[in-house]
Amino acid sequence: GAGVSQSPSNKVTEKGKDVELRCDPISGHTALYWYRQSLGQGLEFLIYFQGNSAPDKSGLPSDRFSAERTGGSVSTLTIQRTQQEDSAVYLCASSFHLDRQETQYFGPGTRLLVL
Amino acid sequence: GDSVTQMEGPVTLSEEAFLTINCTYTATGYPSLFWYVQYPGEGLQLLLKATKADDKGSNKGFEATYRKETTSFHLEKGSVQVSDSAVYFCALTLNTNAGKSTFGDGTTLTVKP
Repeated sequence: GAGVSQSPSNKVTEKGKDVELRCDPISGHTALYWYRQSLGQGLEFLIYFQGNSAPDKSGLPSDRFSAERTGGSVSTLTIQRTQQEDSAVYLCASSFHLDRQETQYFGPGTRLLVL
Repeated sequence: GDSVTQMEGPVTLSEEAFLTINCTYTATGYPSLFWYVQYPGEGLQLLLKATKADDKGSNKGFEATYRKETTSFHLEKGSVQVSDSAVYFCALTLNTNAGKSTFGDGTTLTVKP
């Protein structure tokens, strides 16, 4: 079946503009995760959803970042008033359940460049 | 807090060499441990995992054993191939907060023919 998809694959924006990143998880997966990967760095956890609920938003870097998930499926990550330090690859993953044993399935990422 | 420390890279090996990539962790709860791999131009994918102490995960000739006493999950392969060139990430997920996985910084492996 189809894997996790993300759009756009690349986004170049000017400092101060808002951007919206989209994630389509694997059908039937109840848990969804957002990470950020900066150049040469590991994965930085941003937020996760169980269904449409985000119980822990502490990973979001600032109040310019927000995320939502609707219908237990598609999720959007919005960055308002982008800054150059927001430039990174944003990864989305999903898993069948929210459980410590679950494998996460990753999308190809959105590469964001803020000029 | 919880953390994962990986062997720093990059690692360069000749084909058929033995590979070890060290991974140690600190965790406040009882984690599951994972190795994910990112091949050039591709997304992250699971390589192997272990969910309890002394379990061994294995896949594609790679192995890692969950060592609770040394808080380690070292990745090994007896004979690497050029096609194993990739970035390898060690990760943990806790029973107490299954939504918030912690990843290491990644180790880049290059295998030369």
